[in-house]
Amino acid sequence: QSALTQPRSVSGSPGQSVTVSCTGTSTDVGGYNYVSWYQQHPGKAPKLMIYDVSKRPSGVPDRFSGSKSGNTATLTISGLQAEDEADYYCCSYAGSYTLVFGGGTEVTVL
Amino acid sequence: QVQLVESGGGVVQPGGSLRLSCTASGFVFSSYGMHWVRQAPGKGLEWVAFIRYDGSIKYYADSVKGRFTISRDNSKNTLYLQMNSLRAEDTSVYYCAHHGLTNEYYFDFWGQGTLVTVSS
Repeated sequence: QSALTQPRSVSGSPGQSVTVSCTGTSTDVGGYNYVSWYQQHPGKAPKLMIYDVSKRPSGVPDRFSGSKSGNTATLTISGLQAEDEADYYCCSYAGSYTLVFGGGTEVTVL
Repeated sequence: QVQLVESGGGVVQPGGSLRLSCTASGFVFSSYGMHWVRQAPGKGLEWVAFIRYDGSIKYYADSVKGRFTISRDNSKNTLYLQMNSLRAEDTSVYYCAHHGLTNEYYFDFWGQGTLVTVSS
């Protein structure tokens, strides 16, 4: 199973919106509504930010949102803040009980 | 509060074995399926294995199938990963995580990880 495709990096100024794309195929992202997103600060464990494409766990700020169109899922961070600078990973169910991650995107706050 | 604490990492030679443990607290361990996810130094995340809440079903990534075994002891609130025939490419931080309330296909909470280094 190939990894999902994410941009290596995105950046934005404080207060701006940034989007992180996650492109797969019809056998993973496009085939199931089981896309999740994780934030990871350097040296720390990942943290769940979005699950089931667009659901937000309690405690995650509402400036984080998720969506999906076809084989591409998107994480949007609105009103970018300094503490949002981190690596972000998407993950999708890919059938036959396989879970596949994207390669990760470094979000930089300018 | 929810806690997952991994242990058992270390340096092992190629072809060797290691058993990782993940001790859980702060939630009903026996009600949740558990995952292992790993991250090679400076690299991205890779799902490794899953075990259902009662241990009845286990799944593995192709990269570890036949070499790694996931298990659990609900009486001890502990998850295990037995790793045999280790290779250099298995060098990673290994995280345990439990899935969320709605389904088994995401990682709701993660431990801090334990580093496994395979090197001669």
